[in-house]
Amino acid sequence: ETGVTQSPTHLIKTRGQQVTLRCSSQSGHNTVSWYQQALGQGPQFIFQYYREEENGRGNFPPRFSGLQFPNYSSELNVNALELDDSALYLCASSLVTTNTGELFFGEGSRLTVL
Amino acid sequence: AQSVTQLDSQVPVFEEAPVELRCNYSSSVSVYLFWYVQYPNQGLQLLLKYLSGSTLVKGINGFEAEFNKSQTSFHLRKPSVHISDTAEYFCAVKRGNQAGTALIFGKGTTLSVSS
Repeated sequence: ETGVTQSPTHLIKTRGQQVTLRCSSQSGHNTVSWYQQALGQGPQFIFQYYREEENGRGNFPPRFSGLQFPNYSSELNVNALELDDSALYLCASSLVTTNTGELFFGEGSRLTVL
Repeated sequence: AQSVTQLDSQVPVFEEAPVELRCNYSSSVSVYLFWYVQYPNQGLQLLLKYLSGSTLVKGINGFEAEFNKSQTSFHLRKPSVHISDTAEYFCAVKRGNQAGTALIFGKGTTLSVSS
């Protein structure tokens, strides 16, 4: 069974740039969620994708956008980067039909914005 | 709105001592409750979950938690900790059984186990 994998693991960007983070979900999982974890904080929900459509969103501006592909992998795109976007970005997959809320997390992509 | 409060930001303990990490939640509806652990430079791993049924839930690595509806608490316990339990622990809540809803996490508790 393949777990959740994310890439890249680390990256550095400057203010105003754009970034794309990638996630491959665990085998058999059809739902992907993205979370932002700032230093010293708990993860905060960005959005969730199911069947290639966004079906839930947290309190994040529109410059945070995403995609889900037919193979259930996903991308998180952030435009016009700000210093406060520096964080660990976590991808989590789940099986929506179980609907228990149990999530399987990747190891994250650590973004530093200078 | 739902929220999760982890009452202790840091808990230092000695090896083989018992530990309790406290979590309170606010919700007017039924909830699913979770504890996740995050080791340094890693993602989150599920320790245990409460969905329904018995209020005492057993998880991996010898951890257990008790759901107390009247006190809206879900405290995590372990009778004897090891050095390897040093990590960040997060309590989380999911609202009911609605699809597409997020997990709401607390700010985390750093458990530091020393010899």
